[in-house]
Amino acid sequence: AQSVTQLDSHVSVSEGTPVLLRCNYSSSYSPSLFWYVQHPNKGLQLLLKYTSAATLVKGINGFEAEFKKSETSFHLTKPSAHMSDAAEYFCVVTFRDTGRRALTFGSGTRLQVQP
Amino acid sequence: EPEVTQTPSHQVTQMGQEVILRCVPISNHLYFYWYRQILGQKVEFLVSFYNNEISEKSEIFDDQFSVERPDGSNFTLKIRSTKLEDSAMYFCASSESGTFGYTFGSGTRLTVV
Repeated sequence: AQSVTQLDSHVSVSEGTPVLLRCNYSSSYSPSLFWYVQHPNKGLQLLLKYTSAATLVKGINGFEAEFKKSETSFHLTKPSAHMSDAAEYFCVVTFRDTGRRALTFGSGTRLQVQP
Repeated sequence: EPEVTQTPSHQVTQMGQEVILRCVPISNHLYFYWYRQILGQKVEFLVSFYNNEISEKSEIFDDQFSVERPDGSNFTLKIRSTKLEDSAMYFCASSESGTFGYTFGSGTRLTVV
């Protein structure tokens, strides 16, 4: 079965310090991986995506993620947190080889940014 | 930037009533989806729609649910007889290719009382 696990339900950082949000997936198929962000009372916004090209993916707002097949991971990082980064972040996976288009969401990580 | 528009943003309905949630996908997109997020739980896939028919659905999407593209712009989710457990945020999404680059709407919060 395919699944995605976000290892931390809550992460708290100080403004200006690095952000690391962890994500692991499990499947025997080739994944496409995404990070979405959800600000309070807002929709789901795509931050970045990995679809089998470069393993280091750059997204919006200074975020990036690295696909590591050997570790089945796709952790999200940002060098310096900003107050506006406070939100819920979802690691999302779909599997190209299966022909399915449904996205499988992780349980989310709530990022708090302290002043 | 093109958006997926959902209406209403919040709907309250009585148990047993029918509700229709409306979505306007991005105009050149061909694939349409509904997802839901029960409070405190994961976002879950409900259904995907392509070429005027359901292409995939989850176990959640039972006979109480239906989707329709009544014209060239709207995409609707109908729940025939709402239950308390249908209370959730419902997200519509669309994509051009069907595999990458989903765009989600801002959601409709459905409250069944």
